[in-house]
Amino acid sequence: RKEVEQDPGPFNVPEGATVAFNCTYSNSASQSFFWYRQDCRKEPKLLMSVYSSGNEDGRFTAQLNRASQYISLLIRDSKLSDSATYLCVVNLNTDKLIFGTGTRLQVFP
Amino acid sequence: ETGVTQSPTHLIKTRGQQVTLRCSSQSGHNTVSWYQQALGQGPQFIFQYYREEENGRGNFPPRFSGLQFPNYSSELNVNALELDDSALYLCASSRWENSPLHFGNGTRLTVT
Repeated sequence: RKEVEQDPGPFNVPEGATVAFNCTYSNSASQSFFWYRQDCRKEPKLLMSVYSSGNEDGRFTAQLNRASQYISLLIRDSKLSDSATYLCVVNLNTDKLIFGTGTRLQVFP
Repeated sequence: ETGVTQSPTHLIKTRGQQVTLRCSSQSGHNTVSWYQQALGQGPQFIFQYYREEENGRGNFPPRFSGLQFPNYSSELNVNALELDDSALYLCASSRWENSPLHFGNGTRLTVT
């Protein structure tokens, strides 16, 4: 079983749609969680950290369910510029981040 | 604030050769990590350096080695290149261990 699993997509949605990505992780000792965004042939960029209480940043909402070892990202009112790959990332409170393979989002007009 | 910069941007090498990739950390960051990202995959952790010492290593063979310098810049060295080493190599710095990473724009290595 992979340490971090994501649906690779692609998710094709129209502008203005709401889209949700899910991610599961295998190690219950995982301590911190993030969503990164990666544009084609570019480096990953931190989108947001994910907290147990859930957190929101504009159109983006992240949720963490420790009991189910599940992380989600919700994007409301999708924009064309949201088209990218979204990477779910987990940290075991050690030296490394563990990345999922990413979920590809394509927003069309 | 200066971000993470990597050089070169692209590189083509032949199987069996050696390569050195370079990274300058973001100002104020004393931890640097290196990741390998193959096409269609997420980044895979190679190793991390903190205050010039290796601070953790992923599942990569010894022919992958690194250095961190007093100014917190870093190098990734790969010996005896193999075709499967073709990937995007990402350097990332952070202010301290386990804080969010800030990535450089990567070096795309092609091994022929």
